[in-house]
Amino acid sequence: DTGVSQDPRHKITKRGQNVTFRCDPISEHNRLYWYRQTLGQGPEFLTYFQNEAQLEKSRLLSDRFSAERPKGSFSTLEIQRTEQGDSAMYLCASSGHRGDNEKLFFGSGTQLSVL
Amino acid sequence: SQQGEEDPQALSIQEGENATMNCSYKTSINNLQWYRQNSGRGLVHLILIRSNEREKHSGRLRVTLDTSKKSSSLLITASRAADTASYFCFNNNDMRFGAGTRLTVKP
Repeated sequence: DTGVSQDPRHKITKRGQNVTFRCDPISEHNRLYWYRQTLGQGPEFLTYFQNEAQLEKSRLLSDRFSAERPKGSFSTLEIQRTEQGDSAMYLCASSGHRGDNEKLFFGSGTQLSVL
Repeated sequence: SQQGEEDPQALSIQEGENATMNCSYKTSINNLQWYRQNSGRGLVHLILIRSNEREKHSGRLRVTLDTSKKSSSLLITASRAADTASYFCFNNNDMRFGAGTRLTVKP
């Protein structure tokens, strides 16, 4: 396993622009999660996939946010018309590996700064 | 919104002392997990306790669970400077994390 990878590590954008983040989970993991974290706070749940199906989506996730997981492999999180309040660390995690079924494995995150 | 609350929010101790962090949760659990996060990095799984368990050990970690009070505690014994990090509880049922305890271990 190469671990969960996220791209990019850092993203600086201007308010009103669209941004897209990518997450590659650990191979064979069927569950994928997106969280958002601001300084000094715990991770906030955004959304959850089992295979390609998006099973839960937080009410915190406005219409400007959308996530996909085509073919149940990598996932993308898109934020449209970014606002300064979207500045945060966006964390991706996966789980479901045989023997570690319920543990979440996290990527290093994408740090978004909206100017 | 976050459903778990950690207590205390911040804890500062000397190397060698024990550190205890508490977590309360609001919804039912299948299991409760604890994670560690070094500054600016992703979270790392520490230990998992199932809803039918009351105590579990892993190395210097001891976690307890009281489902009647919907609370859990994480004890780190003989702390080291390298234990300095934020610690979060996680409810596997609703996939929510607590607000975290920031632990500082002074050498």
